[in-house]
Amino acid sequence: DQQVKQNSPSLSVQEGRISILNCDYTNSMFDYFLWYKKYPAEGPTFLISISSIKDKNEDGRFTVFLNKSAKHLSLHIVPSQPGDSAVYFCAARDISNFGNEKLTFGTGTRLTIIP
Amino acid sequence: EAGVAQSPRYKIIEKRQSVAFWCNPISGHATLYWYQQILGQGPKLLIQFQNNGVVDDSQLPKDRFSAERLKGVDSTLKIQPAKLEDSAVYLCASSLEGWRYTGELFFGEGSRLTVL
Repeated sequence: DQQVKQNSPSLSVQEGRISILNCDYTNSMFDYFLWYKKYPAEGPTFLISISSIKDKNEDGRFTVFLNKSAKHLSLHIVPSQPGDSAVYFCAARDISNFGNEKLTFGTGTRLTIIP
Repeated sequence: EAGVAQSPRYKIIEKRQSVAFWCNPISGHATLYWYQQILGQGPKLLIQFQNNGVVDDSQLPKDRFSAERLKGVDSTLKIQPAKLEDSAVYLCASSLEGWRYTGELFFGEGSRLTVL
């Protein structure tokens, strides 16, 4: 079962505009949510995270919003830049097994910024 | 600070052959993970080590995959015999442990395996 879902495989956005990437989850035991960014031929790199006790976290051009009642989170990038073109993975930490907290990844969204 | 090192970067083998991947985590990171990423999918955890002990290997196909982490530092992942569906990128990652762990993993560049 896919506990973390990214329903948009790809997204194209004009440079300078806002990019919004979405993620839905089903597991109520997720307590921490993260976004990873991946360039071709490289490993994913951590971008930004949010605890389940918050609804917003901001870091420069990147903001993550969490709506716990809807089990939905989103990543906003503003303004979008060509270097933001990458695959973005949503991930969530499961705390149901203390001492063995698992990280579950979504399938990714390929973001293309059009100059 | 050196990142997670992996080798080889690319490997092409015939089905039923064997292959091994090597990983050296970030110094001081006690937790090491092997993930499998099939094209078009997100990374899937294969095995997690805490120092040199296995924490979770529930998704490791143990009939053909094996992994070890001797002395709690380097790790190797082996596939024998390989199947066509094992074609994927094998990602090694490490993290801080305990209360400091928030899900932030540090990934290597990955080892891309193609099984013909």
